[in-house]
Order: sequence, then structure tokens, then C-alpha cells
Amino acid sequence: DIQMTQSPSTLSASVGDRVTISCRASQNISNWLAWYQQKPGKAPKLLIYKASSSENGGPSRFSGSGSGTEFTLTISSLQPDDFATYYCQQYKSYPALIFGGGTKVEIK
Amino acid sequence: QVQLQQWGAGLLKPSETLSLTCGVYSGSISSYYWTWIRQPPGKGLEWIGEINHSGITIYSPSLKSRVTMSVDTSKNQFSLKLSSVTAADTAVYYCARVRWELGAFDIWGQGTLVTVSS
Repeated sequence: DIQMTQSPSTLSASVGDRVTISCRASQNISNWLAWYQQKPGKAPKLLIYKASSSENGGPSRFSGSGSGTEFTLTISSLQPDDFATYYCQQYKSYPALIFGGGTKVEIK
Repeated sequence: QVQLQQWGAGLLKPSETLSLTCGVYSGSISSYYWTWIRQPPGKGLEWIGEINHSGITIYSPSLKSRVTMSVDTSKNQFSLKLSSVTAADTAVYYCARVRWELGAFDIWGQGTLVTVSS
């Protein structure tokens, strides 16, 4: 099975900071990678699909990049609403569609 | 806008069968795959499996022996059953819509906390 490794697991940042979260796949998944944002007590929300395409209505400060095995989610200027946990997820290989372990973005 | 509303028993005893249903509103269950995902308290997301409107399923190997998914197109809903539950199955369970062309889950249910305790 493909394994997904996110880093860091926790990130402390301030409003206005540029934030970068990494996700590494154990095998080539081309661009079949999605990013989700999850706030406490809420369902995850799709932010980015196919590595770099923004979901409709998503804030433009979120962007995704990468292909193959290395991927990045960038928040260009962190806003108060962005403090949450972020997950990557591969959609290249069944039978197990694996999520990364998550990155919690905390207030510094 | 399509919405998913899920329901089912929230408290089970060990060895019982978990049963959850997800209703699809303001849209058709046809032409899409639908998935179940769970999240143990304080932990990450785990994909359980998928089903389409024809009843074709794909299950996670780690849960395959205990999982059954079904679909009722007449009611526009799909269901999850997980047998022989243990405390390790305690989690928030989510249903979601699969968008294969996006490679992502774009609409999610509100989540149901299922607790397994004697």
C-alpha cells in the first residue's frame, strides 16, 4: 500500500505568516493528491484536488503544488480562520486510499 | 447544493454490529461513488470503503472482513455495517461523496460519534 507522510505534525505560526505543509507519498501517485482542512468537531473540507486545483469557493491564499511523491500545501498569509488541522490524501491506488497523519496549525 | 445527512446508533457493546445510514439530499445518488471514513477521538482519518449506485464496492483491506456497504437508490441513501465491533472501532464516522474525476471527497456528512463500550 502507498503510505502518506505529512510534516510537520504541528506547526506554530502567526497571523500573516506564510505557511508550508509537506506531504510525501511512498510511491509515485502522479497528481492524485487532495488536501483537506478540518476544524474541531467538524467534518473535513476539501481545499485542493489533483495536487494544485482549488475547490470552488476556496480562499485564494491556499495553493497546492507537486507531483509524483512530493507535495506542498501553502497558505500565503495565515488568517485567524485558518487555524485547523490539514490532511493530505492519495487517490491513485486502491484498495487503500490513505490519508496523511495530519498537520495541526496552531497560534504562535 | 447536495447535502448528506447521516444517522445511526451511537452506543454499542463489544461484538455488536455498527449500522449507519447516509441520506443524499438535493441531488441524485446515481453517477457517483459514496464513501465512509472514520476518525478515532484525537486521531487521523481512516478510509473504510466506497460504494456506487449499482452496489459495486471497494473496501479497505484492514476492515474488509467486517464491513458491508449497501445502497438504496429508491430512498437515495447508502449504508455501512461493521460487525463484531470492539473499543478500537470507537470513532466519528463520516459519509462523503466521491468525485473520481477530482480524486477527492467533495461533500461530507456531519459525522456520527459511535462509542463501543461494555
